[in-house]
Amino acid sequence: EAQVTQNPRYLITVTGKKLTVTCSQNMNHEYMSWYRQDPGLGLRQIYYSMNVEVTDKGDVPEGYKVSRKEKRNFPLILESPSPNQTSLYFCASSQPRQGSGRYEQYFGPGTRLTVT
Amino acid sequence: AQRVTQPEKLLSVFKGAPVELKCNYSYSGSPELFWYVQYSRQRLQLLLRHISRESIKGFTADLNKGETSFHLKKPFAQEEDSAMYYCALFPGRDDKIIFGKGTRLHILP
Repeated sequence: EAQVTQNPRYLITVTGKKLTVTCSQNMNHEYMSWYRQDPGLGLRQIYYSMNVEVTDKGDVPEGYKVSRKEKRNFPLILESPSPNQTSLYFCASSQPRQGSGRYEQYFGPGTRLTVT
Repeated sequence: AQRVTQPEKLLSVFKGAPVELKCNYSYSGSPELFWYVQYSRQRLQLLLRHISRESIKGFTADLNKGETSFHLKKPFAQEEDSAMYYCALFPGRDDKIIFGKGTRLHILP
């Protein structure tokens, strides 16, 4: 089954304790991205990657790192989490292709992070 | 600047009544536009893309380039339509998709 998976689904941590949220897709997609979803602010892009070893900042990259060593994985790293990073995080992937809907994004199930 | 605006944070509609979720965009070129839906406790899913001109779950959306709008419509609301709806724009250049802030649709019985 084609899917995007994220782990963990729920995480409660303390300020300053490094954490990683994994994202993996099995569709051989080139493009992957991370979003955070906050009430009243909707979805905001954190980082995106157009291919292996290529990453770019989105709208709200501060406090986050990513890496893209393999095509299927795109982990999100919080080196020193802070309470303002408490949010719901989504990973997504897509594969640019010719024709209609070539930029449809497939979303993971979300990771709810609480930083105390 | 590229922007997607969904003016309504919350829209409450009675079951059986027509629904219109507004989306306006700001972009100088020819973007690709999408509607995504998120049901309670589920992941985001693609609902519609303008380029396909399709109808999904009774919803349609027409791109109006003159008004730079991509409103989502359904003639008769159903209770299962209650969800969060996001309008999204893809400029087609650097793969940076732009989302609106979302509209929560609440269908009243």
